[in-house]
Amino acid sequence: DAGVIQSPRHEVTEMGQEVTLRCKPISGHNSLFWYRQTMMRGLELLIYFNNNVPIDDSGMPEDRFSAKMPNASFSTLKIQPSEPRDSAVYFCASSFQGEKLFFGSGTQLSVL
Amino acid sequence: SQQGEEDPQALSIQEGENATMNCSYKTSINNLQWYRQNSGRGLVHLILIRSNEREKHSGRLRVTLDTSKKSSSLLITASRAADTASYFCAPGPGGATNKLIFGTGTLLAVQP
Repeated sequence: DAGVIQSPRHEVTEMGQEVTLRCKPISGHNSLFWYRQTMMRGLELLIYFNNNVPIDDSGMPEDRFSAKMPNASFSTLKIQPSEPRDSAVYFCASSFQGEKLFFGSGTQLSVL
Repeated sequence: SQQGEEDPQALSIQEGENATMNCSYKTSINNLQWYRQNSGRGLVHLILIRSNEREKHSGRLRVTLDTSKKSSSLLITASRAADTASYFCAPGPGGATNKLIFGTGTLLAVQP
């Protein structure tokens, strides 16, 4: 298996633009997590899904953030409109039965 | 909060020495997991210890768990320069949706 695949690897955009981050979890995994990492706030859990259903989105900072998981092999995290303070590395991770998370390589987002 | 708190925040040792990192948590757990993050990369799962286990080994890693004190330690023996990374603990509440919240980690620097 290729592991958790995230795209794009890097994203540079201007304030106010829509940003969509994508994640393909490991086949057979039934839990998917979105994290955000910054120097100031560390690694924050934004939202996680179990069997494609959002279980806890309490970490989503604002209504500007939304996440979907239309099927077991794909998830998106969307920011609309983006702001400079959204600049961070966004990680997607998947697991089977909620144990042992496998992380993607992350998306480095810069909002100018 | 089910977040783990790692201690120390930073640790610098010489190659060949042992490195010990500690983790404290506040909630009941089903398991506790340790992860490593190399700069700019996603987290990598190292080891999982269940609440009914007191010690676990994996290669040069030794993890202990004391549920009465709500603490865990990670020992890396005979450290190598390649062990330089940040190390995170994550208390696992268990169940089908194992929501993992990470602390700020311990930054380990192994000097060659």
